[in-house]
Amino acid sequence: SAVISQKPSRDICQRGTSLTIQCQVDSQVTMMFWYRQQPGQSLTLIATANQGSEATYESGFVIDKFPISRPNLTFSTLTVSNMSPEDSSIYLCSVTLGLGEQYFGPGTRLTVT
Amino acid sequence: GENVEQHPSTLSVQEGDSAVIKCTYSDSASNYFPWYKQELGKRPQLIIDIRSNVGEKKDQRIAVTLNKTAKHFSLHITETQPEDSAVYFCAASIRGGATNKLIFGTGTLLAVQP
Repeated sequence: SAVISQKPSRDICQRGTSLTIQCQVDSQVTMMFWYRQQPGQSLTLIATANQGSEATYESGFVIDKFPISRPNLTFSTLTVSNMSPEDSSIYLCSVTLGLGEQYFGPGTRLTVT
Repeated sequence: GENVEQHPSTLSVQEGDSAVIKCTYSDSASNYFPWYKQELGKRPQLIIDIRSNVGEKKDQRIAVTLNKTAKHFSLHITETQPEDSAVYFCAASIRGGATNKLIFGTGTLLAVQP
């Protein structure tokens, strides 16, 4: 597996502000993904972070709300824009290795007040 | 759209008993089925996976079976221990462009009573 880190681990933000979450991997990976996990719920894919091109968003998620960067094969950021309390959630990045196994970062717990 | 159904949502067993969690997927093109264990406050951990060319896979006390015809796959945990208590998620791959993305089941909260 790979060592995956996320920053920040948690944050409390005010309504209307934006937060950028960083995901760093200790080796080059082809695929990186961003997920949201609302309290007590399953994991929902937000988007695929594509290196060198625009992210691919899932239904219900848009670039204006969740802009994503992927400047290289070891790093990606997810921004949660113009936050509302409904955005309170855990945000996780994941990477695929080897034959496609997906491994998750530790997550960022976001609370919007 | 594609979806994965998971049952039961909660499961309580006595230590030493077996636990079985079942999932059903809708996309006949799915070819990869991982299982994740998530302890409270922790990240999901990949514990076992199976690909569509295999019917069963074992790793010590855990095993996964796959029935492609019925689009079912199951997680079996034998000789359960209190440290097996966690939320378990199944997932199935769906092809999105050049990428096999994962769609997750709703999760099963497993409680192993000592």
